[in-house]
This record gives sequence, C-alpha cells and structure tokens, in this order.
Amino acid sequence: GAVVSQHPSRVICKSGTSVKIECRSLDFQATTMFWYRQFPKQSLMLMATSNEGSKATYEQGVEKDKFLINHASLTLSTLTVTSAHPEDSSFYICSASPGQGDGNTIYFGEGSWLTVV
Amino acid sequence: AQKITQTQPGMFVQEKEAVTLDCTYDTSDQSYGLFWYKQPSSGEMIFLIYQGSYDEQNATEGRYSLNFQKARKSANLVISASQLGDSAMYFCAMRELNTGFQKLVFGTGTRLLVSP
Repeated sequence: GAVVSQHPSRVICKSGTSVKIECRSLDFQATTMFWYRQFPKQSLMLMATSNEGSKATYEQGVEKDKFLINHASLTLSTLTVTSAHPEDSSFYICSASPGQGDGNTIYFGEGSWLTVV
Repeated sequence: AQKITQTQPGMFVQEKEAVTLDCTYDTSDQSYGLFWYKQPSSGEMIFLIYQGSYDEQNATEGRYSLNFQKARKSANLVISASQLGDSAMYFCAMRELNTGFQKLVFGTGTRLLVSP
C-alpha cells in the first residue's frame, strides 16, 4: 500500500535553534499534505495544510513564522520549527493525500518526537 | 465547521469481550468520510476502518465494525473479541469531502485498556 515516510523519528535540539522535519510520499504524488501536532495524552491538532507549489494554509492560532511549511514537490513537504523553545517539544505527524480521490485515501507518516532542551 | 466528539476518556474491557467506543460528529457537508485510528504508545497512527457518508452498509474490517447512524450523526466503533494488544488510544476522525482541502479532523480520543 501507499507509504508516507517521516524523518527524523526523534530529534533533540537546543533552545533557539531551528529543526526541520520531512514528510515524503514514497509511491504516490501527494497534492495535499497535512501537519499535526500532538501533546502528551491529547488529540492530534491540525496545524496547517500544505499544497504543492502554493503557500500553506495555517489553522487559527498557529504561528506562520514559527512553523514554516514548504511543499516544494509532489512527494515532499517540510516543517521547520524556527527558534525552538522547550514548549515546542511535542509529537509532530504528517499525513498525505493524492488529491480528490476516494475519501479514505489519506496516509500518515510515522511521526517525529521533538525535544527542545 | 466540522466537529468530532468522543465522550469516553477511558474504557476498560476484559479480554475476549466486545467493546463499543462512541463517536458523534457535526457537519453541514453532505459528503464526508468517517475514520477510526488506533494509536499505540509508539505514536504511529494505525488506520482501522472507514465509512463514507453515502455508504448504506456499515463498514466492517475483521474484528472492527462501525455502527453508522447517519440521522443521529454517530459513528461508533465496535471491537469484537478484544485482545490484550488492543490496548491503545483510539481516535475518531472526519473528513469533509466537499471542502477545498478535505481536512481530517480528530476527536479527543478514548484510551482503551484490555485486561486479562
């Protein structure tokens, strides 16, 4: 079946630095990718929707300058957490969709655990 | 705006018994999809079952079935013959299919614990 790969699976960074997380669709073209954030024991909160070749659409309350999303190709979207702080420590997970196909065609990456020290 | 509600923060079930996890939703879109995912402690999202709003039959996938009651806007997950490995977080999610991005939005989740 379709596979979405997310990298890195775990990352530790120092406060004030930036960290990039990649989301790749391995065997299909993902016209749309979604980025979620999940705090411990909470649900997945949609951060933004990324479409290839256009600017990402951010959900209300998500800082665009803090969480930079780039969808440069039909198989790759990246999330960059800029000037990371300990409160940015969280589980980030992406999902990808091939487009306006069946409603159930959406696939998740493995997720990335970010720890800011 | 789309909304998903899971009212059970936690559920307990004995091994080999069936359990129902509740999910209600709200949408003004006539075309939508309902999902259930399992999330173990590793964090991965494991797709369990899908129900389209126009599907007349309730979806089934092995030990999982979705009790879809459209008029009541509910989409409960039934797990039959529970196993110890079923212990995990379970999320209900909905996707509005007539909106531009077809965003997938999640409920707050239910933690299921299966005891021997």
